[in-house]
Amino acid sequence: EVQLVQSGAEVKKPGESLKISCKASGYSFTNYWIGWVRQMPGTGLEWMGIINPGDSESRYSPSFQGQVTISADKSISTAYLQWSSLKASDIAMYYCARLVSAAGFAFDIWGQGTMVTVSS
Amino acid sequence: EIVLTQSPGTLSLSPGERATLSCRASQSVSSSYLAWYQQKPGQAPRLLIYGASSRATGIPGRFSGSGSGTDFTLTITRLEPEDFAVYYCQQYGSSPLYTFGQGTNLEIK
Repeated sequence: EVQLVQSGAEVKKPGESLKISCKASGYSFTNYWIGWVRQMPGTGLEWMGIINPGDSESRYSPSFQGQVTISADKSISTAYLQWSSLKASDIAMYYCARLVSAAGFAFDIWGQGTMVTVSS
Repeated sequence: EIVLTQSPGTLSLSPGERATLSCRASQSVSSSYLAWYQQKPGQAPRLLIYGASSRATGIPGRFSGSGSGTDFTLTITRLEPEDFAVYYCQQYGSSPLYTFGQGTNLEIK
């Protein structure tokens, strides 16, 4: 079964760092880009960036460039999203998703989401 | 920057009725790169339609997509109880690389 399994919910303090993960299984990890999408409470979907796990090439939304870092470790089929200094405005659900070029570059498989809470 | 505007914001219908959801782009979007997603409360989004009109794997035939240029439509014929959810359109290709619409909440009347 093709799936993306994300790491569990996180509760952090402002200024702390965080790295959340997205582990792929059931397909060749390096053959598909992975994207990250933010959903703030009660709001819609925002694209953050994508990464090619094969060579770690990444592309970011201008809104998130410099705010987060997307990486991948192909040896363990895992993509990551990380922050160096969290803010209260980072409170959101974060989804990883597989990008399929054959489906018009849509996201066909999604992780279950990782909820990030930032509170002092 | 391409902006996707979905209408209506909320659509109230009854099971068995037909739903028509609109997604309008601020600039022309390639039909190949327009997708629709369904999201139910507490769940991740699910891909319904890609390439403006192709159903994703496992999506029932009552879901269909159409449109080109700046106007795209998701149609759900004969609504089932499980179809009541939020629907998002999404485009790929223009800066930013991906854009989502703000969503249409399809609720039970």
